[in-house]
Amino acid sequence: KQEVTQIPAALSVPEGENLVLNCSFTDSAIYNLQWFRQDPGKGLTSLLLIQSSQREQTSGRLNASLDKSSGRSTLYIAASQPGDSATYLCAPNEKLTFGTGTRLTIIP
Amino acid sequence: EPEVTQTPSHQVTQMGQEVILRCVPISNHLYFYWYRQILGQKVEFLVSFYNNEISEKSEIFDDQFSVERPDGSNFTLKIRSTKLEDSAMYFCASSLRVISMNEQYFGPGTRLTVT
Repeated sequence: KQEVTQIPAALSVPEGENLVLNCSFTDSAIYNLQWFRQDPGKGLTSLLLIQSSQREQTSGRLNASLDKSSGRSTLYIAASQPGDSATYLCAPNEKLTFGTGTRLTIIP
Repeated sequence: EPEVTQTPSHQVTQMGQEVILRCVPISNHLYFYWYRQILGQKVEFLVSFYNNEISEKSEIFDDQFSVERPDGSNFTLKIRSTKLEDSAMYFCASSLRVISMNEQYFGPGTRLTVT
């Protein structure tokens, strides 16, 4: 059974800093992995989909990496902004399995 | 930009009542999903649906739950006899395909409160 862990559970950084969010999963037999953000009381917004054959995927200030063999993915956010404050979730595969996410706060 | 929509945004019901949550997936998508999130907990997979059939379901999705695509646009989740523990946010999602480019797009959710 797939288990997803995200560390840290919460992170506060000053505006403008670059940061990395970590995601690990126990079953490396995945087709892809998706990163989402969730604002309080809202739905999930897809940020990036990275396929199992890819090592990186970029969208604007976001860069996701995937190391299937070690069961890890990272989400790099460049030049953070207050609007980036949200909970970030990673989820592998079709039947998305979620961890508890990282609650990110960008301090103006 | 196309988006997944869900109605109602908030549903309050009494224990034992039936509820139907409605979703309109993105129009050219073929795969449909329901997830739920109990307050303060993880998002959990309930069921996936393709070609008018359930393709996979979790242990949460017991006989009290059913899904249907009654026409070409709507996708519904029915809970036959609601329990207090069914109180949660229910999210619908859709994707174009199941493997490879399987980016799932989520709706804004329906908050179900069972009293």
